[in-house]
Amino acid sequence: NAGVMQNPRHLVRRRGQEARLRCSPMKGHSHVYWYRQLPEEGLKFMVYLQKENIIDESGMPKERFSAEFPKEGPSILRIQQVVRGDSAAYFCASSPDRGDAFFGQGTRLTVV
Amino acid sequence: GESVGLHLPTLSVQEGDNSIINCAYSNSASDYFIWYKQESGKGPQFIIDIRSNMDKRQGQRVTVLLNKTVKHLSLQIAATQPGDSAVYFCADSAGGTSYGKLTFGQGTILTVHP
Repeated sequence: NAGVMQNPRHLVRRRGQEARLRCSPMKGHSHVYWYRQLPEEGLKFMVYLQKENIIDESGMPKERFSAEFPKEGPSILRIQQVVRGDSAAYFCASSPDRGDAFFGQGTRLTVV
Repeated sequence: GESVGLHLPTLSVQEGDNSIINCAYSNSASDYFIWYKQESGKGPQFIIDIRSNMDKRQGQRVTVLLNKTVKHLSLQIAATQPGDSAVYFCADSAGGTSYGKLTFGQGTILTVHP
């Protein structure tokens, strides 16, 4: 039973480029969550999705950031026109209904 | 605002000692609490959880205590081993239909000396 799969593990983008982060939830999990972690800080909630629906995006910056979880395929976190402040580790977690959330290994985004 | 915080940012112990990591939370609506372990370069790893209708829960070498009166959570690790060295986060959730929307604390760095 594979865990939550995130790719790429490391991503380098120049300022102004787009970053696309992918997350495949654990088998049987219909809930996906994205978190951001800055160095030496805890994880901050960004967005909660179910298939084809955004349930809660209260932690998502209003501009440049978007997320989707299509009927087929992985969940995508998209950051347009990246800036240096977007450099962070981005974690995806998944859970079944009323169950514990399990995290992936993260994507470390570096904006140069 | 709603936050989960930790009293001690670092903890150093000798191998074989017991470790206690503390956490305070502020959201009185929180009904689900989790401890995660995060090793360098990896994602948070679930350790143990506790619901608000309990005040103690035991796992393998770990115990979580919940004091709702003072909004305090602790993680006890028995016979700490070098492999336990990591950053430990507490997190809380108001639950509902999803327990994945979590508020994390800043973390406590646990260092176990052989």
